Amino acid sequence: AQSVAQPEDQVNVAEGNPLTVKCTYSVSGNPYLFWYVQYPNRGLQFLLKYITGDNLVKGSYGFEAEFNKSQTSFHLKKPSALVSDSALYFCAVRGANQAGTALIFGKGTTLSVSS
Amino acid sequence: NAGVTQTPKFQVLKTGQSMTLQCAQDMNHEYMSWYRQDPGMGLRLIHYSVGAGITDQGEVPNGYNVSRSTTEDFPLRLLSAAPSQTSVYFCASSGRGQGPSTRYGYTFGSGTRLTVV
Repeated sequence: AQSVAQPEDQVNVAEGNPLTVKCTYSVSGNPYLFWYVQYPNRGLQFLLKYITGDNLVKGSYGFEAEFNKSQTSFHLKKPSALVSDSALYFCAVRGANQAGTALIFGKGTTLSVSS
Repeated sequence: NAGVTQTPKFQVLKTGQSMTLQCAQDMNHEYMSWYRQDPGMGLRLIHYSVGAGITDQGEVPNGYNVSRSTTEDFPLRLLSAAPSQTSVYFCASSGRGQGPSTRYGYTFGSGTRLTVV
């Protein structure tokens, strides 16, 4: 069965510092991996995805994520955090061989960036 | 291009009432799905569809029905509402393959906040 784990409920960083939001996954075969962000009382916004190719994926708002197959991880990173990055972040996965199935989400990590 | 449209945005139901949450997409996406979001639980998959006439259950299907008579629409029906179904519901869609329709992954609607009293 597919699953996603986000081990931290909350991540706190100071503005200007680098940030990492962790995600590990379990899926049969090759994974399709996604990061979404949700601002208060809003829907989910797509940040980036890994399908194949370069292990370092660049996305919206300066975020990037590194796919590590041996560690089954897909951590979200940003070199310099902004207060406006404060939001709820979700990692999601589906199997590459599971066309048509929906995404499975982690429980989310709240990112708080202080000024 | 409206994307994924969910209606209503807010709804209050009494226990035992039934209702339908509407979801429509105008991107000709094959794949559609429904999630519920509860605090500390993330998004949990209720039902999903791979095309018109084809649906399947997700992680938490009990108490919900779906149908997919057209590519565009994927309504979610609550048969007899219960307080445990108080949640925020999201509909999402995605296209097949790696073309422009899937460039941004799954597209989500803005959500329906449902309260059952």
